[in-house]
Amino acid sequence: DSGVTQTPKHLITATGQRVTLRCSPRSGDLSVYWYQQSLDQGLQFLIQYYNGEERAKGNILERFSAQQFPDLHSELNLSSLELGDSALYFCASSVLAVADTQYFGPGTRLTVL
Amino acid sequence: DQQVKQNSPSLSVQEGRISILNCDYTNSMFDYFLWYKKYPAEGPTFLISISSIKDKNEDGRFTVFLNKSAKHLSLHIVPSQPGDSAVYFCAARRPPGNTPLVFGKGTRLSVIA
Repeated sequence: DSGVTQTPKHLITATGQRVTLRCSPRSGDLSVYWYQQSLDQGLQFLIQYYNGEERAKGNILERFSAQQFPDLHSELNLSSLELGDSALYFCASSVLAVADTQYFGPGTRLTVL
Repeated sequence: DQQVKQNSPSLSVQEGRISILNCDYTNSMFDYFLWYKKYPAEGPTFLISISSIKDKNEDGRFTVFLNKSAKHLSLHIVPSQPGDSAVYFCAARRPPGNTPLVFGKGTRLSVIA
């Protein structure tokens, strides 16, 4: 158990809908990272927050947004969902802002029908 | 453009023998490399890392070798155990430290009893 929690575990929704994925980092970790893993793909970095502020941005679509709250949990919002958004979404956390060793949550499997 | 490549999607090894997982990278600016292991329905778990100032790092049965001139790293598992069966991801980071990790697509290792 990495100490990173993600909810929900599974999410099934329809095209055009909006969903919110939630992540709680390990106790004491200030950085939260979001990744997408599609079929046969590696982990694609989406976005990083450090202590409430956006720190780094990757290949995140404009339809996606994230935020980190004062209690350090983070939410990833996915809107106008398309079939191609079906993937595993992982959250990771680390103590520092530096992209060092990251601890991953169990992931949320999103299926868009 | 994939900067971190794991060219073998899968590898099968007999229990007790050595497993060698390979990773190539294209960006000579990368200064820190990590290996993660992922079981089904779980998030990736940090395994071992190496800084570019070293060429070898060992932790129990796991050793990572870095060949900077060849832009190649490898993970050796000796002896391999059935519990090592998982997907292994190679990741790399370039300075400054707030740039995100870049992951390969992973290699599925099967250790056969």
